Formats: sequence, C-alpha cells, structure tokens
Amino acid sequence: EPEVTQTPSHQVTQMGQEVILRCVPISNHLYFYWYRQILGQKVEFLVSFYNNEISEKSEIFDDQFSVERPDGSNFTLKIRSTKLEDSAMYFCASRSDRGPAEAFFGQGTRLTVV
Amino acid sequence: AQSVSQHNHHVILSEAASLELGCNYSYGGTVNLFWYVQYPGQHLQLLLKYFSGDPLVKGIKGFEAEFIKSKFSFNLRKPSVQWSDTAEYFCAVNARGSARQLTFGSGTQLTVLP
Repeated sequence: EPEVTQTPSHQVTQMGQEVILRCVPISNHLYFYWYRQILGQKVEFLVSFYNNEISEKSEIFDDQFSVERPDGSNFTLKIRSTKLEDSAMYFCASRSDRGPAEAFFGQGTRLTVV
Repeated sequence: AQSVSQHNHHVILSEAASLELGCNYSYGGTVNLFWYVQYPGQHLQLLLKYFSGDPLVKGIKGFEAEFIKSKFSFNLRKPSVQWSDTAEYFCAVNARGSARQLTFGSGTQLTVLP
C-alpha cells in the first residue's frame, strides 16, 4: 500500500539553527500539507500546497517557515532560526485531486529544539 | 471558521467494554468528517470517514460512527474494545467539496485495561 514517508523520524537542533523536514508524498497525489502537534496538544494545520504554490496557511506559518517541492517527489518544510516552542511532532500529509479523498499522513518527524 | 470539540480527554475502559467517543463540530457549511487513530509511536491512520449518504459509517477494526446533522455530531463507537485499541483518537473535519485542510479536535486518549 502506498504511504507517505517522512525523514528524519527525530531531529534535535539547537535554538537558532535551521532545520529541513522532508516528506515524500504518495506519488499520484497533488495536494500536500504540513501539520504539527505540540506535545499534549491538538494537531494544528500549518500549510497546504498545490500546483507548486502555497494554497493556504495558518497564522502559525509565519516568515520563519517555508515549504518547497524541490523535485518531483520531495516536499520539504524549512524552519529558519528555530525556537524552543517549535518543538513538536510535524506531520506531512497528501491527498489525491480526484473525488472527496481523505488525507494520508506520514509517521511524523519529532523536532526537539534545545 | 471550523472548530471541532472532543469532550473526553482521557477514557479508561476494561476489555470488552463498549466505547463511545464524542465529537461535535462547528461549521456553517457542509463538511466531510473523519476519525483518525494514532497508536503509540505511530502515524495518524484513518479509521473511518463520512462524505455523504448513510450517516452510519463503518470503519476498520470494528469501529463505526454516526453523523447526526441536527446535533453537529460524529461520535465514534465500538461495541467491545480490546487492549490493542489503546491509542489516541482524533476527530477531524474539512469543508465539503474542497481540498481544504483538516481541522482536528484535541484528541481523546483511550486506555484499555487487559
């Protein structure tokens, strides 16, 4: 069964450093998403991406964040100058553009900012 | 804006007990409704979804949910839980007919005692 894969599974970084979280969506999907889940809190939407551009973003997704689809398979989330409060589980998701399809989630990247 | 409320933060049951997890949503239009499950250390997996039609939907692992439009509810049920159902359960919605992002509830941690 096709799945969304994310790397790394766990990333530890020092405050102020830049991190790039990587995702490989399901191959025929066209909508891509990043969500995050701070420990003990709900899953929050960050950004959606379609047709090589951001289609929607939340208020969390400020100038510190950026997304990119550098090639035909990867979808990345870059966090510049990480802060302690960026520590969270980051989930990538993708969905097809056909019909009312559900989103498929990756296993997540646990980001720890120290 | 959409919002989702899950009233039970932590539910503890013995094996073979029946389960019902509440989910209410707030949205002015028509929605798609989802229940996701997150087993310890794993990614979000879709349990079931409602797009249209029969308001009683059946999902994997013996779970079902009923959409009650008048109550804006989509409660998750299982007649007899197992220890392996221990996980966190998230209700989510998105606007019908779009690829818009999911809005998640805060989650319910289910612990099933053997």
